[in-house]
Amino acid sequence: DAGVIQSPRHEVTEMGQEVTLRCKPISGHNSLFWYRQTMMRGLELLIYFNNNVPIDDSGMPEDRFSAKMPNASFSTLKIQPSEPRDSAVYFCASSLGQGQDKNIQYFGAGTRLSVL
Amino acid sequence: AQKITQTQPGMFVQEKEAVTLDCTYDTSDQSYGLFWYKQPSSGEMIFLIYQGSYDEQNATEGRYSLNFQKARKSANLVISASQLGDSAMYFCAMKGSTLGRLYFGRGTQLTVWP
Repeated sequence: DAGVIQSPRHEVTEMGQEVTLRCKPISGHNSLFWYRQTMMRGLELLIYFNNNVPIDDSGMPEDRFSAKMPNASFSTLKIQPSEPRDSAVYFCASSLGQGQDKNIQYFGAGTRLSVL
Repeated sequence: AQKITQTQPGMFVQEKEAVTLDCTYDTSDQSYGLFWYKQPSSGEMIFLIYQGSYDEQNATEGRYSLNFQKARKSANLVISASQLGDSAMYFCAMKGSTLGRLYFGRGTQLTVWP
């Protein structure tokens, strides 16, 4: 079975440009998570969806960030306009559910974003 | 709020030896889950092992075991018979009983030397 698929793997862009990160969760998983990893802040949750509905977006830094999940097999994280401080590795993860503590989150390979 | 603390920024172990990576946590939830992930230099996050707060037995997965001490709120990862390929960053994480998010520690960089 294919794991969580993220694209692109690397993205280099200039400040002010729009960036769109994509994620395909594991088939059958109904929870999807976006995390960001930086040296300064470590791994932090940006937003997560359950059954395509955003449940917790308290980690979204500001209005420049938006996330959508139009269907069970696809999600996007968009940054507009991008800034150098957005440079990080962005991970998407999926799990079978949210409430039970046994629901293991499986991560994609990540997107390394560099904003110049 | 949940909090995960990993006090060892770096650990070194010789090949074939066992190593323990420390993790302590803080939560007011009665039911929670504890996880360990491995992040090699290639960057992906690999799930290793899970321990539920009500599990009476310590979790084991191959060479990985979790030393769970509930009263002390610790969930240390033990890697037996270390291999060179175990060199990586290791993250401890916790999930509460209601929300789905994981809370991560800052990680421990493990280096296995020949």
